[in-house]
Amino acid sequence: DAGVIQSPRHEVTEMGQEVTLRCKPISGHDYLFWYRQTMMRGLELLIYFNNNVPIDDSGMPEDRFSAKMPNASFSTLKIQPSEPRDSAVYFCASSSTGDRQETQYFGPGTRLLVL
Amino acid sequence: AQSVTQLDSHVSVSEGTPVLLRCNYSSSYSPSLFWYVQHPNKGLQLLLKYTSAATLVKGINGFEAEFKKSETSFHLTKPSAHMSDAAEYFCVVSPPFGNEKLTFGTGTRLTIIP
Repeated sequence: DAGVIQSPRHEVTEMGQEVTLRCKPISGHDYLFWYRQTMMRGLELLIYFNNNVPIDDSGMPEDRFSAKMPNASFSTLKIQPSEPRDSAVYFCASSSTGDRQETQYFGPGTRLLVL
Repeated sequence: AQSVTQLDSHVSVSEGTPVLLRCNYSSSYSPSLFWYVQHPNKGLQLLLKYTSAATLVKGINGFEAEFKKSETSFHLTKPSAHMSDAAEYFCVVSPPFGNEKLTFGTGTRLTIIP
């Protein structure tokens, strides 16, 4: 398996623009997680899905952020409008179950810079 | 509530010498504990995990960690550092049940001196 795939790997945009990050989880994994990593706040869980259904979005910072999972092999995280403080590395991860002992497999991340 | 503290933000060791990365946790229940490694510009990769079986856990690349409940610690060790070990390491705690999510430590950057 190719692992978790994220695109783009790098994104530079201007404040106010819409940004869409994409993720393809490992085939057969029922859980998908979106994280954000910054120097100030470390790794934060934004939202996670089970069988394409959002389960917990309490980590989503505000209404400018939205996430969807239209099918088992694809998810998007959208920021509209983007702001400089959204600059971070965004990771997608997947796991086969939601068991607390289950390993999460991370993608390489999307490095976002909002100017 | 659960929390995890990585006691050192940066550790430097010489190649061939032992590595010790420290992690303390706080949890109302017996948690699951993980160590993940992040190489530059890469995603996180699982090194090892403790899930209430053996307290000494062996992981990939020669790393191991010991769960000590009395000390609420889960320190990561390796007998002999290799240049390829240079990376950021995250200690992660997960409750055995309930609604709490994974809690990540702030990370320890490991530098290997040639």
